[in-house]
Amino acid sequence: DQQVKQNSPSLSVQEGRISILNCDYTNSMFDYFLWYKKYPAEGPTFLISISSIKDKNEDGRFTVFLNKSAKHLSLHIVPSQPGDSAVYFCAASPAGGTSYGKLTFGQGTILTVHP
Amino acid sequence: DTGVSQNPRHKITKRGQNVTFRCDPISEHNRLYWYRQTLGQGPEFLTYFQNEAQLEKSRLLSDRFSAERPKGSFSTLEIQRTEQGDSAMYLCASSPGGVTGERYTFGSGTRLTVV
Repeated sequence: DQQVKQNSPSLSVQEGRISILNCDYTNSMFDYFLWYKKYPAEGPTFLISISSIKDKNEDGRFTVFLNKSAKHLSLHIVPSQPGDSAVYFCAASPAGGTSYGKLTFGQGTILTVHP
Repeated sequence: DTGVSQNPRHKITKRGQNVTFRCDPISEHNRLYWYRQTLGQGPEFLTYFQNEAQLEKSRLLSDRFSAERPKGSFSTLEIQRTEQGDSAMYLCASSPGGVTGERYTFGSGTRLTVV
């Protein structure tokens, strides 16, 4: 069962415009949500996170929005730059217990930003 | 500290052979994770260690898989009697635990091809 879903395999955006990447989850035990970015031949790198007690977290050009009732989160990149072209993974973690810190990842969305 | 190091970067092996991968985490990180990623999918959790203790194993981890982290430093992941379905990217990550325990630092991975 896919507990974290990224339904858009790819997204193409013009430089300077907004990129919006979406993620849905099904497990109500998830308490902490993260976005990772991955370039080819490299491991994923942490980008931004949000706790379930918040509905928005901003870091420079990157903003993550969380809608707990809809079990949905999104990553906004404004303005998009060609260097943002990468695979973006949404991930979720439960609160507490022995599984604390264990991440469940979505399938990823390939973002291409055209100059 | 140069981050999380994984060796080898690539491994081609014949079906039925045993393989071992090594991960050297960031030295001050007490949590170490192994994930597996196949084409078009996000990383899937395999197992994790808090110091030298293996705290959780995924049901994906069959009896042919074993992981160790002696003395809470580097970790090895061994696959015995490899099968073609084991072909994947094996990712290691470490984290400091605590409130930002989910902010992994990933290695570049070991790509396994079973022929």
